[in-house]
Amino acid sequence: DAKTTQPNSMESNEEEPVHLPCNHSTISGTDYIHWYRQLPSQGPEYVIHGLTSNVNNRMASLAIAEDRKSSTLILHRATLRDAAVYYCILRKNTGTASKLTFGTGTRLQVTL
Amino acid sequence: DGGITQSPKYLFRKEGQNVTLSCEQNLNHDAMYWYRQDPGQGLRLIYYSQIVNDFQKGDIAEGYSVSREKKESFPLTVTSAQKNPTAFYLCASSIDGGSEAFFGQGTRLTVV
Repeated sequence: DAKTTQPNSMESNEEEPVHLPCNHSTISGTDYIHWYRQLPSQGPEYVIHGLTSNVNNRMASLAIAEDRKSSTLILHRATLRDAAVYYCILRKNTGTASKLTFGTGTRLQVTL
Repeated sequence: DGGITQSPKYLFRKEGQNVTLSCEQNLNHDAMYWYRQDPGQGLRLIYYSQIVNDFQKGDIAEGYSVSREKKESFPLTVTSAQKNPTAFYLCASSIDGGSEAFFGQGTRLTVV
């Protein structure tokens, strides 16, 4: 399975944009890029996913490099509620459900 | 409402006893997953199932067993062979790699 690499931790001030990077240099053409986040003592929550084009939803934006070997999750205005561990994951779309493998993620701290 | 439900939220067991964790979903998803999370760590895949009556070992399957007799249900048994069973257990379901995965709220198992 293709691996992802993320920084262990990042800090941001409230109401500022946050750019969370993810490297996936061994990504294959059938891999989707997914992002999830996890608050303490809770299950992970879906944030966004994409294949080749940049994606936007109400929670965040996903910027995917042209060669797809890296991506960036963008939180446009961080709030204290965005403090969580963010996971970048690659998933194959094989027609049936694929393995969902997590790395160690990036712990985002948001301060006033 | 549609979703994925894990029960119980907290579970205490004596060392040497088998214990079964429940996971139920009403999302009509084919794939279901079990993860283990230790304090300060990421999620590690125990077992996953892509369809009824079929399942595969994940990265840390030793000491665990599962069944998938119904689409809605994917129970996990932590056996006495699991040397360090105290952990936070998470269940998830999804349609395929191009779609988001849904997580339950987890079961925190403590073995004394």
